[in-house]
Amino acid sequence: AQSVTQPDIHITVSEGASLELRCNYSYGATPYLFWYVQSPGQGLQLLLKYFSGDTLVQGIKGFEAEFKRSQSSFNLRKPSVHWSDAAEYFCAVRAGGTSYGKLTFGQGTILTVHP
Amino acid sequence: DSGVTQTPKHLITATGQRVTLRCSPRSGDLSVYWYQQSLDQGLQFLIQYYNGEERAKGNILERFSAQQFPDLHSELNLSSLELGDSALYFCASSPRPSSHEQYFGPGTRLTVT
Repeated sequence: AQSVTQPDIHITVSEGASLELRCNYSYGATPYLFWYVQSPGQGLQLLLKYFSGDTLVQGIKGFEAEFKRSQSSFNLRKPSVHWSDAAEYFCAVRAGGTSYGKLTFGQGTILTVHP
Repeated sequence: DSGVTQTPKHLITATGQRVTLRCSPRSGDLSVYWYQQSLDQGLQFLIQYYNGEERAKGNILERFSAQQFPDLHSELNLSSLELGDSALYFCASSPRPSSHEQYFGPGTRLTVT
């Protein structure tokens, strides 16, 4: 069964600083990987996704993520954080090649942005 | 706005009661998923429907049931509610079960007192 680990429960950065949120997955075959963001009181918004091809994927709001098969990682990055990026971020994995689409989520990383 | 709607937004009820949460998928999406988000369990997949039929089941309690209607909206029924059922319940939709992306609704916050 697939699983996702987000090692950092809470990260604090200053506005304008760079950001990297870690995600490690466990899945036997090629996974489909996602990052979602949840602002307080809101639903989940898809930031970016990886299915195949180029291992560096670009998403919305200036985020990018890099798939590293050798490290079973899919870390999320942003070169310069804005105060509006404060939210909770979830990494998720979906089994590839299946006919059903269950997402398995990590525990989430809360991002606090200091002015 | 993802195009997925959920009602009600908030629900407060007592232990032992039964509630129904409703979800309307994005226009054209045939597959609906239900997830539960709680402080102790995180985000967990409950159940998936495709074109009216159950497709996959996750950690869904026997006290919970769901269905998808011919107009593709879905309902999640929670019965004999316990304090531990208090959570945020999300619905998501996708065009087909094999679709890679799921679009989430704003959720229904259930509080059991």
